[in-house]
Amino acid sequence: EDKVVQSPLSLVVHEGDTVTLNCSYEVTNFRSLLWYKQEKKAPTFLFMLTSSGIEKKSGRLSSILDKKELFSILNITATQTGDSAVYLCAYAGGSQGNLIFGKGTKLSVKP
Amino acid sequence: DGGITQSPKYLFRKEGQNVTLSCEQNLNHDAMYWYRQDPGQGLRLIYYSQIVNDFQKGDIAEGYSVSREKKESFPLTVTSAQKNPTAFYLCASSMDGRGEVRETQYFGPGTRLLVL
Repeated sequence: EDKVVQSPLSLVVHEGDTVTLNCSYEVTNFRSLLWYKQEKKAPTFLFMLTSSGIEKKSGRLSSILDKKELFSILNITATQTGDSAVYLCAYAGGSQGNLIFGKGTKLSVKP
Repeated sequence: DGGITQSPKYLFRKEGQNVTLSCEQNLNHDAMYWYRQDPGQGLRLIYYSQIVNDFQKGDIAEGYSVSREKKESFPLTVTSAQKNPTAFYLCASSMDGRGEVRETQYFGPGTRLLVL
């Protein structure tokens, strides 16, 4: 059975800290891995990764994929209170075309 | 503005009642999806539709029904057969095709369903 495992499940840091969120996957037909940020409502798209070793960056956020070891990380540098959210990792590759989500990492950034 | 809208924001269901959640998109996306999110859980797929007048069951379709009569709309009905409907329901859409555009799903703001 395909699955996506995120760690840690929750994390509390202080403003200015750097955090690394982990996502490992066991899937049979990998096409891509996606990261979303979910605050109160809808998940918002952050990154999509398809190739190993190529880092994607957007401001203070960056992500990289290792297809050999079957994991991805999401880095956030110089965290701010506005980064507090649940970060979801999802794999795309099933025959249904849907995304298979991990349970998420809840990040809390304290002032 | 382009986007996905869901209504209502909150919905209360009585025992034995069917309720319908609305999802509309003006992104011209071909594919639409319904997910359910429970506390501490990831999103689980209920139903999806890749084209008008066609839809497929996801992992947890029992107790739910959908229709796709128009490209823009994908309503979800929670029937009385769904014994534990209290959850946060998210609708998503993606463009058909290949590559990154197809894989990326965009989400509506969600509907929170509560049982009275």
